[in-house]
Amino acid sequence: GIQVEQSPPDLILQEGANSTLRCNFSDSVNNLQWFHQNPWGQLINLFYIPSGTKQNGRLSATTVATERYSLLYISSSQTTDSGVYFCAGSSGGSYIPTFGRGTSLIVHP
Amino acid sequence: DVKVTQSSRYLVKRTGEKVCLECVQDMDHENMFWYRQDPGLGLRLIYFSYDVKMKEKGDIPEGYSVSREKKERFSLILESASTNQTSMYLCASSLGGTEARAYGYTFGSGTRLTVV
Repeated sequence: GIQVEQSPPDLILQEGANSTLRCNFSDSVNNLQWFHQNPWGQLINLFYIPSGTKQNGRLSATTVATERYSLLYISSSQTTDSGVYFCAGSSGGSYIPTFGRGTSLIVHP
Repeated sequence: DVKVTQSSRYLVKRTGEKVCLECVQDMDHENMFWYRQDPGLGLRLIYFSYDVKMKEKGDIPEGYSVSREKKERFSLILESASTNQTSMYLCASSLGGTEARAYGYTFGSGTRLTVV
């Protein structure tokens, strides 16, 4: 199946800083999502973004499907952004996504 | 908003016990999934179901079984729990077919299972 690599594995920021999280895929993906898992374990769907760019407040995501990567941008980070960010994607006719191992983000006040 | 509810937040069981984790969704989703999450390994798919009474193995089905008798409920069963099944278990649901791709997943809040 498809391989998903996320970088960096860990990230520590000061409140107000910007950051970019990256997700690389071993094959073309047709179903790419970004999730945030808060410190209590709840996973929230941030973006469904098989291609192009989407923005939601301080968060935005860009997927370049032909080059097999996606980026998640966090601007003016806040302590509530802390948690683990996962990307997940599937290829071919499958709708079952494979998850990356996540980027653990800590934002200090 | 879709709600996916998992029956227990924390669970402690003894080795050899039968364990049943319940997941209920309230938005008539066709697809339901069980994942386990372990530090450094991300989310790994155990089983999924695309319809009532239908089930498919995921990446790590060994030691687990599932049941889907009603559309809204998907149960994960550990017939004889072992310590290596200590983990966070996450249930998710989605619409079926191509709509699953459009709207993505909704996750429950997880069950942290400890087997002693």
